[in-house]
Amino acid sequence: GDSVTQMEGPVTLSEEAFLTINCTYTATGYPSLFWYVQYPGEGLQLLLKATKADDKGSNKGFEATYRKETTSFHLEKGSVQVSDSAVYFCALSDSKNSGGSNYKLTFGKGTLLTVNP
Amino acid sequence: ETGVTQTPRHLVMGMTNKKSLKCEQHLGHNAMYWYKQSAKKPLELMFVYNFKEQTENNSVPSRFSPECPNSSHLFLHLHTLQPEDSALYLCASSQDLGGNEQFFGPGTRLTVL
Repeated sequence: GDSVTQMEGPVTLSEEAFLTINCTYTATGYPSLFWYVQYPGEGLQLLLKATKADDKGSNKGFEATYRKETTSFHLEKGSVQVSDSAVYFCALSDSKNSGGSNYKLTFGKGTLLTVNP
Repeated sequence: ETGVTQTPRHLVMGMTNKKSLKCEQHLGHNAMYWYKQSAKKPLELMFVYNFKEQTENNSVPSRFSPECPNSSHLFLHLHTLQPEDSALYLCASSQDLGGNEQFFGPGTRLTVL
């Protein structure tokens, strides 16, 4: 079956540091890949997504590139802020057909990021 | 209210109690979901409704009973829970089941004593 593995946290950085959170996946079809963020006391919010190989998702300074050859979707940000402190979830939805879609999301366990001033 | 709201935000109950969680979405979506978020485990999809009809029950024990009276409201009725059911229960909605973005509520933190 499908699965998502992301680096275990917690990750603690100083403000303006470079961030990488690793995510790898296994899927049987044509997955779309997502990063969700959960700020303290809130639900999950979609941060970025990529629907096919070599696509780059980006939002709020975060980026992730869909790498089919390495089955990876690592999250990066060049300069983190205190306000980026949250839990980050990598997820995928699999489709049997290229260009298709599926509402079922498979999530990783989440990575807690703490950014100190 | 905007987005997806959930009440209560926190709930403590005994194993013999009956309680209900409520979710309401103000986005005009047709699909709604219940997820369970436990510490150090991936989010688990519990139930899916589309146009008020249940389309998925992910092998959830019968002590959890969902209800979807209309496309905007989703309930999770709880009865005779176990301590291991303590978790954050998240509601989400999406336009349909076609892989569109899911919008999540803030969750209900449930503690079963």
